[in-house]
Amino acid sequence: SQTIHQWPATLVQPVGSPLSLECTVEGTSNPNLYWYRQAAGRGLQLLFYSVGIGQISSEVPQNLSASRPQDRQFILSSKKLLLSDSGFYLCAWSVGTGRYFGPGTRLTVT
Amino acid sequence: DQQVKQNSPSLSVQEGRISILNCDYTNSMFDYFLWYKKYPAEGPTFLISISSIKDKNEDGRFTVFLNKSAKHLSLHIVPSQPGDSAVYFCAASANDYKLSFGAGTTVTVRA
Repeated sequence: SQTIHQWPATLVQPVGSPLSLECTVEGTSNPNLYWYRQAAGRGLQLLFYSVGIGQISSEVPQNLSASRPQDRQFILSSKKLLLSDSGFYLCAWSVGTGRYFGPGTRLTVT
Repeated sequence: DQQVKQNSPSLSVQEGRISILNCDYTNSMFDYFLWYKKYPAEGPTFLISISSIKDKNEDGRFTVFLNKSAKHLSLHIVPSQPGDSAVYFCAASANDYKLSFGAGTTVTVRA
């Protein structure tokens, strides 16, 4: 069966510090991979999606970036965090229309 | 641009009663709809889906109804149980990689 891992589970970072969140998927090949953010009291906002290694599409302009160095690895990064980057970050994968979400990372920027 | 809207941020229902969650959408190209359930500090989990060629899909206590002419769908939970207390997200797809989510409805089931 397929599983998706995200780490860390929680993170507190100061403004201006870098960020690296990692996501890996097991049990499937060539999945579509996604990064979502859920801000407090809001829905799920698609940040990035990837249909293959090295292929990244950005949905919103921001100071975040994503990379897919391996088929089942997706990384969310920032060089300098902003206060507004606080939120719950979710990695997801799909083969088809549905989405299967990871456990999420709670990021607090102070 | 919010293409999927859940206008009720919260819903409180007594255990054993029916929970009805509503969702409206604006994009007529959406042809696949999903409901997700999310507990605090966890990722959303898939609950039930419906294709635009159907107007009803049932899975146990969960039924989703789709009214294409009104661009409206609803999720019925019967009977509601305490474990159903969670945030429910409606999502819609136009057969591409993008899945548009509503803002969510927090359901509280009272004992």
